Amino acid sequence: QQQVKQSPQSLIVQKGGISIINCAYENTAFDYFPWYQQFPGKGPALLIAIRPDVSEKKEGRFTISFNKSAKQFSLHIMDSQPGDSATYFCAASLRSGGYQKVTFGTGTKLQVIP
Amino acid sequence: DVKVTQSSRYLVKRTGEKVFLECVQDMDHENMFWYRQDPGLGLRLIYFSYDVKMKEKGDIPEGYSVSREKKERFSLILESASTNQTSMYLCASTDRGTDTQYFGPGTRLTVL
Repeated sequence: QQQVKQSPQSLIVQKGGISIINCAYENTAFDYFPWYQQFPGKGPALLIAIRPDVSEKKEGRFTISFNKSAKQFSLHIMDSQPGDSATYFCAASLRSGGYQKVTFGTGTKLQVIP
Repeated sequence: DVKVTQSSRYLVKRTGEKVFLECVQDMDHENMFWYRQDPGLGLRLIYFSYDVKMKEKGDIPEGYSVSREKKERFSLILESASTNQTSMYLCASTDRGTDTQYFGPGTRLTVL
């Protein structure tokens, strides 16, 4: 079974600190690695994504680091803010015909304290 | 803005009842998905559909069925609800050839 392992399960960070969430995958056929952010009472929404031909992608305070040889990728949130408090899901997907079949990690609940 | 709506935010049903969860998207997306979300397990794919009247099993289809009679609407059916189907159910859609999944707000189903 295709798996994506995510850690930690929960994370508490002080305002202004760096939040780091790690994921590992097994299937080298995965070709797209998104991160989704979910606030309480809402569905997940795409935050940032990377393809395996790139080692890093940065969008504002959010950065994905990707290590193809180790089959690992991570999300870094710089200058973490209380508004970043949410659950974060990493995912890995592969294309089959006209759709992407996505496998999600188990989620990390981030709390940023003032 | 893509909008995915789900018919109910909260639902309480009794064991053995037939349950319908409805999802509608307004962006003419070909692909639609049903997931369930449980603490510590993340999102797990139940069923998906890549075209009207087409459906494919996901990772945990047992106890569920789906229906897609119109492109914008994808229904999840619990033929005989059981307590282990108490969960948050999320619907998502994507356009053909694109990768971003757009999620609805979820339906929290409790089976007593």
